[in-house]
Amino acid sequence: DQQVKQNSPSLSVQEGRISILNCDYTNSMFDYFLWYKKYPAEGPTFLISISSIKDKNEDGRFTVFLNKSAKHLSLHIVPSQPGDSAVYFCAARHADNTGKLIFGQGTTLQVKP
Amino acid sequence: DTAVSQTPKYLVTQMGNDKSIKCEQNLGHDTMYWYKQDSKKFLKIMFSYNNKELIINETVPNRFSPKSPDKAHLNLHINSLELGDSAVYFCASSQPLGRGGENTGELFFGEGSRLTVL
Repeated sequence: DQQVKQNSPSLSVQEGRISILNCDYTNSMFDYFLWYKKYPAEGPTFLISISSIKDKNEDGRFTVFLNKSAKHLSLHIVPSQPGDSAVYFCAARHADNTGKLIFGQGTTLQVKP
Repeated sequence: DTAVSQTPKYLVTQMGNDKSIKCEQNLGHDTMYWYKQDSKKFLKIMFSYNNKELIINETVPNRFSPKSPDKAHLNLHINSLELGDSAVYFCASSQPLGRGGENTGELFFGEGSRLTVL
């Protein structure tokens, strides 16, 4: 049973346009949600996070939206740049204080010049 | 001065062999993790240690044995390797979830160790 799901395995957008990556979760005990970015042959790197008590967090070109009632979050990248092409993982942290993150299966974003 | 470093980066071995992957972090973090990324690209937690103490063990076969000699190191030893163990193994570290303030418990990952079992 996958508690964090990214239903779109891939997304292709034109440079300068908005990229929207989606993530759904099932466990209402998650207290933080994070987005990670991963390039080939590298480890995932932290991008942006949001607390479960907020509905939006913005950092430069990256904005994460959280809809708790729908158990859904999304990452918006605007404007998209070719260097944003990577695999994006959604992750959720359980409020059990172990620090464990549960990851989605990732969405591959391709930004075309 | 890599924050989280793993060795080796690539490992090819035969079924039945025993192998180890080493991980070191220089971030001063108390908590370290091993994650496995399988062929379906899911990143799944295997183990977590906090200050050399095991705190998470996610139904991993006991052929996998983590060892933490100190809080900056978390090694993964795998006995009797099987074909299904082929994956990329990621080490990560984080600060403990302290009281007060906003601590997302962000994980810092190593580059991964790709294990191929033939």
